[in-house]
Amino acid sequence: DSGVTQTPKHLITATGQRVTLRCSPRSGDLSVYWYQQSLDQGLQFLIQYYNGEERAKGNILERFSAQQFPDLHSELNLSSLELGDSALYFCASSVTGAANEKLFFGSGTQLSVL
Amino acid sequence: AQSVAQPEDQVNVAEGNPLTVKCTYSVSGNPYLFWYVQYPNRGLQFLLKYITGDNLVKGSYGFEAEFNKSQTSFHLKKPSALVSDSALYFCAVTPPGGYQKVTFGTGTKLQVIP
Repeated sequence: DSGVTQTPKHLITATGQRVTLRCSPRSGDLSVYWYQQSLDQGLQFLIQYYNGEERAKGNILERFSAQQFPDLHSELNLSSLELGDSALYFCASSVTGAANEKLFFGSGTQLSVL
Repeated sequence: AQSVAQPEDQVNVAEGNPLTVKCTYSVSGNPYLFWYVQYPNRGLQFLLKYITGDNLVKGSYGFEAEFNKSQTSFHLKKPSALVSDSALYFCAVTPPGGYQKVTFGTGTKLQVIP
């Protein structure tokens, strides 16, 4: 068990809808990352937060947004969903987000857009 | 821009034989390099990392990796494969210093045959 908790584990929704994915980082970790994993795109970095502030942005669509709350949990909001958004979404955390730190990954949220 | 290449989608090896999973990278400066493993329906787990120092890095579950600066490679190795090593392996790179800007490879599926 990595200590990173993601909910829900599975999510099935329809095109055009909006969903929220939740992540609780490992105790003591201040930095949270979101990744999207799909068969055709591999593991894509979406966004990183550190202690409530956005630190880095990757290939995140404008329809997607995220935030990290004062208690350090994070939420990834996906709106106007398309079939192509179906993927496994991972949250990861590290202590400070420094380059030499290892990441601890949650088990992911499997999103299916029908 | 940094990049990671894992040239083999799948590697098959007989149980008890040595295994190698290849990784090459492209990044400015001296990189920080990581290997992660993903078991079915699980998040990625950290195996090992190279930050500086000895080019041979030892990690979890008997795995090791060799950093080769001239060949820009960071191949993952294990002297004797186990069936339980069958999983998806990801190489990752981030520029040194500062905070994480990690890029993952596309992953290599390792199949250990009994």
